[in-house]
Amino acid sequence: DAGVIQSPRHEVTEMGQEVTLRCKPISGHDYLFWYRQTMMRGLELLIYFNNNVPIDDSGMPEDRFSAKMPNASFSTLKIQPSEPRDSAVYFCASSHREKGLEQYFGPGTRLTVT
Amino acid sequence: GDSVTQMEGPVTLSEEAFLTINCTYTATGYPSLFWYVQYPGEGLQLLLKATKADDKGSNKGFEATYRKETTSFHLEKGSVQVSDSAVYFCALHYGGATNKLIFGTGTLLAVQP
Repeated sequence: DAGVIQSPRHEVTEMGQEVTLRCKPISGHDYLFWYRQTMMRGLELLIYFNNNVPIDDSGMPEDRFSAKMPNASFSTLKIQPSEPRDSAVYFCASSHREKGLEQYFGPGTRLTVT
Repeated sequence: GDSVTQMEGPVTLSEEAFLTINCTYTATGYPSLFWYVQYPGEGLQLLLKATKADDKGSNKGFEATYRKETTSFHLEKGSVQVSDSAVYFCALHYGGATNKLIFGTGTLLAVQP
C-alpha cells in the first residue's frame, strides 16, 4: 500500500492568500484526521471524518479554516485568508475501525505564511 | 476528561544506554494505549500498542507494559542507537464509537555516539 499521501509537501505563501492542502487516505480506511503541529502548541487535532462525514471540528481554530471530504479517497483542508500564525506542519492520518485503532500518518505539509 | 502525561524532554543518552520514557494516563474504563515515533521531517509512525491490562507491546527492541494499577505505559529499550533519535508520543484511544486518539506532548530523544 502507498500509505497516506499528502500534497504539496511544502507550501510557501503570502499572508492573505488561500491555501489548499490535500490528502489521500489509505484505501479502505473509514476515518480521516487532520492535525497541525507547531513547536509552541505541539500536535493538535483539527477535525476528523468518518465515512466522509465530519464528526468533530472543535479543533478548527477559526472560520478561516475549512475541511471537506467529497469521497472516500480525497480530503482537503483550506485556509482562507492565510496568516503568518498558520505556519505549521499539517498532517493527515487515516484509520480503519474494524482493523484496529491505530492511525497511519502522512508525511505532512510544511506551510510557511510570510 | 481523558488525558496523557509524558515526561518532558529532551532526553539525551549515549549510544547503548538504557532508555525509559514515562507515560501516565487518566481515562474512564480501559483504553487502548500506543507509542508513536516521529523521525525528523517525517510523520508519526506507530511503534507499539497494548489493548488491555498487563499486555506488553514490543517492536524494534522497544517495549511497554500496560499497567492498570499505576495507569502507566512507560517506554523502554535496553540499548539505544543513534538512529533511535526522534520524538516519541504516548497516546490513548478516546473510547466510544470513534477512532480518535489523545496524544501526549511528545518527548525528544537525542542519542549521542
